[in-house]
Amino acid sequence: EADIYQTPRYLVIGTGKKITLECSQTMGHDKMYWYQQDPGMELHLIHYSYGVNSTEKGDLSSESTVSRIRTEHFPLTLESARPSHTSQYLCASSESGTYGYTFGSGTRLTVV
Amino acid sequence: AQRVTQPEKLLSVFKGAPVELKCNYSYSGSPELFWYVQYSRQRLQLLLRHISRESIKGFTADLNKGETSFHLKKPFAQEEDSAMYYCALSGSNYQLIWGAGTKLIIKP
Repeated sequence: EADIYQTPRYLVIGTGKKITLECSQTMGHDKMYWYQQDPGMELHLIHYSYGVNSTEKGDLSSESTVSRIRTEHFPLTLESARPSHTSQYLCASSESGTYGYTFGSGTRLTVV
Repeated sequence: AQRVTQPEKLLSVFKGAPVELKCNYSYSGSPELFWYVQYSRQRLQLLLRHISRESIKGFTADLNKGETSFHLKKPFAQEEDSAMYYCALSGSNYQLIWGAGTKLIIKP
């Protein structure tokens, strides 16, 4: 089924650890996005990509990095997790601006 | 500047009452506007797009270019409508510009 998948759903990790949040979509969308969202709060764009080998930083300053080696895969990496990174991370993809975004289920990250 | 404003962080209405969630935008071109909904413990999902002029789950939204608004309306609220609602504008370079969201609570 065409969809967008995020793993893990929940992650509790110690300070200083390196983590990668996975995001994959099977819709063939060129455009993919990472948002940070605390529950019931605003969405903050942290990274986006318009295609393979294209990545840009979003509006919210983030210590994370992303890569886009394949169209379907857009992982987000934190080299050294800190408690301030505790949040929910949402991945989305889109075909064009006209159709809006499709979101994954999110990864809820807790850094202790 | 491109901006989306949802003036109410929280809206509480009784079941069966009409609902209106406000959304105002600022955009110099022809806007494409969306409403997204996030139910408890579910993913953020598209509710409706202004371009399709459809009614989803009894909700409608009309683009008013004169008032630069895209308010979401439902004549009779149901308890299952309780959720976070986000208004979004498709700006230049394919990115969505998001409002801060409105939490809708339907009281029994």
